[in-house]
Amino acid sequence: EDQVTQSPEALRLQEGESSSLNCSYTVSGLRGLFWYRQDPGKGPEFLFTLYSAGEEKEKERLKATLTKKESFLHITAPKPEDSATYLCAVQDRRGSEKLVFGKGTKLTVNP
Amino acid sequence: ETGVTQSPTHLIKTRGQQVTLRCSSQSGHNTVSWYQQALGQGPQFIFQYYREEENGRGNFPPRFSGLQFPNYSSELNVNALELDDSALYLCASSFGGRANQPQHFGDGTRLSIL
Repeated sequence: EDQVTQSPEALRLQEGESSSLNCSYTVSGLRGLFWYRQDPGKGPEFLFTLYSAGEEKEKERLKATLTKKESFLHITAPKPEDSATYLCAVQDRRGSEKLVFGKGTKLTVNP
Repeated sequence: ETGVTQSPTHLIKTRGQQVTLRCSSQSGHNTVSWYQQALGQGPQFIFQYYREEENGRGNFPPRFSGLQFPNYSSELNVNALELDDSALYLCASSFGGRANQPQHFGDGTRLSIL
């Protein structure tokens, strides 16, 4: 059964203090790994898709990387507006195109 | 480009009642997936519809059912509501049949069961 574990559950940073979020996954055959951002009372907002080990993608202060067992979301010099819950999800090659999500990491960036 | 829209935004029901939630997919998308998100948890897959046919189902009982219409909009129906059904219900659309296309989510329907 596909599984996704995210750590830490919550992270508090000062503005400008860089850090990384971890997503460990187990899947029989990875079709894609997805990162989403979710603000309170909103649906998840798509950030990145990673397809194979060694791949990296960047968007503003965010950079996502992928290995065969985990993915990292690196946040460089974060700002208060980066505060949100970050969700990681995997899609298996088998069957339907369902996403299996982790519980998320709640990031708070203080000014 | 119009995004995914869901209605209603909030709903309060009592145990044993039935509910219908609605979703309009993003323009150009032919696949709709439904997820249940309990407080403090990640979304859990309920089922997916591709070109009006069910294309995969998660570990949810048969009282959770759905439909997809020719315009690719969708409904989620839940019968015999239970207290544990209180959650945020999310709809996501994508272009199925193309590998690795991301799913784009609406803002959900918050369902409370009293």
